[in-house]
Amino acid sequence: DSGVTQTPKHLITATGQRVTLRCSPRSGDLSVYWYQQSLDQGLQFLIQYYNGEERAKGNILERFSAQQFPDLHSELNLSSLELGDSALYFCASSARGEKLFFGSGTQLSVL
Amino acid sequence: KNQVEQSPQSLIILEGKNCTLQCNYTVSPFSNLRWYKQDTGRGPVSLTIMTFSENTKSNGRYTATLDADTKQSSLHITASQLSDSASYICVVSAKFFGTASKLTFGTGTRLQVTL
Repeated sequence: DSGVTQTPKHLITATGQRVTLRCSPRSGDLSVYWYQQSLDQGLQFLIQYYNGEERAKGNILERFSAQQFPDLHSELNLSSLELGDSALYFCASSARGEKLFFGSGTQLSVL
Repeated sequence: KNQVEQSPQSLIILEGKNCTLQCNYTVSPFSNLRWYKQDTGRGPVSLTIMTFSENTKSNGRYTATLDADTKQSSLHITASQLSDSASYICVVSAKFFGTASKLTFGTGTRLQVTL
């Protein structure tokens, strides 16, 4: 168990809809990272938060947004969903960026 | 552009055999190189982290090597077990503004260990 909790584990929704993925980092970790992994693809970095503030941005679509709350949990919001958004979404946390601890992921299926 | 390339893309070996996975990178300025193991449908789990000055690092039956001059790394798995079947991902970290780091992920080598 990595100590990073992601909910829900599975999410099935329709095109055009909006969903929220939630991540609770390891206790004490200030950094939260979001990654997207499509079928047979590598992990694509989406966005990083550090202690509530956006730290780095990757290949995140404008339809996607994220935030980190004062209790350090983070949410990734995906809107106007398309079929191509179907993927595994991982959250990771770290204390100082040296070692990432990944959650088990949320499997999103857009039908 | 920072890139991490892994080879082979996939590999099938018999249980008990050894294997070596390769990682070449063009990431600058280099901070560290990490190997992760990812079981199907699960999050990646860290195996090793190596900085510029480290040539070798072991974690049980996993041994990673780093040649910073040629920008190559390898992950050697000894006496493979069925549970080693997974994707192995090479990740290179670049120093970014001196504090935060930027990670570049390889697409992974998918290893299957069979009887």
